Formats: sequence, C-alpha cells, structure tokens
Amino acid sequence: AQTVTQSQPEMSVQEAETVTLSCTYDTSESDYYLFWYKQPPSRQMILVIRQEAYKQQNATENRFSVNFQKAAKSFSLKISDSQLGDAAMYFCAYRSRGNQFYFGTGTSLTVIP
Amino acid sequence: GAVVSQHPSRVICKSGTSVKIECRSLDFQATTMFWYRQFPKQSLMLMATSNEGSKATYEQGVEKDKFLINHASLTLSTLTVTSAHPEDSSFYICSARDLSAGEQFFGPGTRLTVL
Repeated sequence: AQTVTQSQPEMSVQEAETVTLSCTYDTSESDYYLFWYKQPPSRQMILVIRQEAYKQQNATENRFSVNFQKAAKSFSLKISDSQLGDAAMYFCAYRSRGNQFYFGTGTSLTVIP
Repeated sequence: GAVVSQHPSRVICKSGTSVKIECRSLDFQATTMFWYRQFPKQSLMLMATSNEGSKATYEQGVEKDKFLINHASLTLSTLTVTSAHPEDSSFYICSARDLSAGEQFFGPGTRLTVL
C-alpha cells in the first residue's frame, strides 16, 4: 500500500517570504503522480501543483514549485513570495495507477502579515 | 475547469436513520468516482472506488453494508450511510475522474452530523 508522510503538522511564514513544505512517500509502483492540494476553511480541495513521476523536471506553477527526488521518494513544495491567501491546510497526495488518491496528514500553513 | 457537485452540503440526522449523499459531475462523464471521509483536523481517507455500472471497491476497514455506494450513471454516484451513528459524523468528499481529460476533480464535500 502507498503511504504519504508529512512531518510538519504546522508551519508559518512571513508574508513575501519563502516556505518549503516536506513530503515523503512509499510505493512499489514505478509510474504514478504526485500532487499538492490546498484546503482552505471552506474545505474545498484546490489543486496547487502536480508532478508525473516519469518526468525528471520539477513542476512549477507561478509561485509554487516542487523538488521531486524520485530515488529518495521525496516531494517538497516551495511557496515563494508568500501571500495571506496562501494560508490553508496543504496536503501532499499520491495517485496510484488505479487513480485512487492517498493523502498525507497535512501541514497547516500560517502566513504572518 | 470541470465541476463536481455534492448534495447536500450539510446534513443533520438522528441516530439510526439513513442518509444519502449525491456526487455529480456537471460537465463531464465520470466512469470512476471516489469517496473519502475526513475527520476534523485530519487527512482525507479513501473509503471506496465507485465504477459506473458495477459494484464499488471498498478500502480495508470500510463496512460496505454500512456505506452503500451506487454509481448508476456516468454523472452520478451516491453514498448512503445506513443506520447512522454519532461516530459516522464526518466530512465526506467525492472525486470524479474525467475519462477524456484523464484528470480528477474533487467535490466541495458534505458535512454529516449524527445526533
């Protein structure tokens, strides 16, 4: 079974600064997808960024980028120029070949004005 | 992007009653839908995979007789919590896979409170 681990239950960052959220996973599959989702208080899951495991190049979406280390099974999220609207719960997720999502325990991000 | 809706968004019921939650893909066809539950301040846990026209596949530890899933059409899956108890109170989220786009989208969730 796939497991996803987020070792930082809470993180805080000063507005305009950069923060990195950690995620590791375990799998025996060779082809899979990794995601970061944001869950604000509304509880709606919002896709932040995704990475295909077969791609060596790290994904980037505006202020969000990942550091994907396949051999180490590590998938961290970097948020640059943090904004107040970035405050939310962030979940790292693994999508299996069967398309099921397996989520980490989440990191609560606080942005300090 | 594609939209997935859930109805109701919030429901309160008495212990022992059954509650049905609907998950609809509004602008795409979804042969596969997934149901998750999320307890307060916890992660989403996959409950079951729902395939159109066939029986759902449940994750280990999820009681299939308690959480009935029906996926009768390409745009609708329902989750029925039977004989609900207070410990079933949770946030239930569905996701739907857009076969043509190969993407998956999450619904806004349903908050169930069992008194």
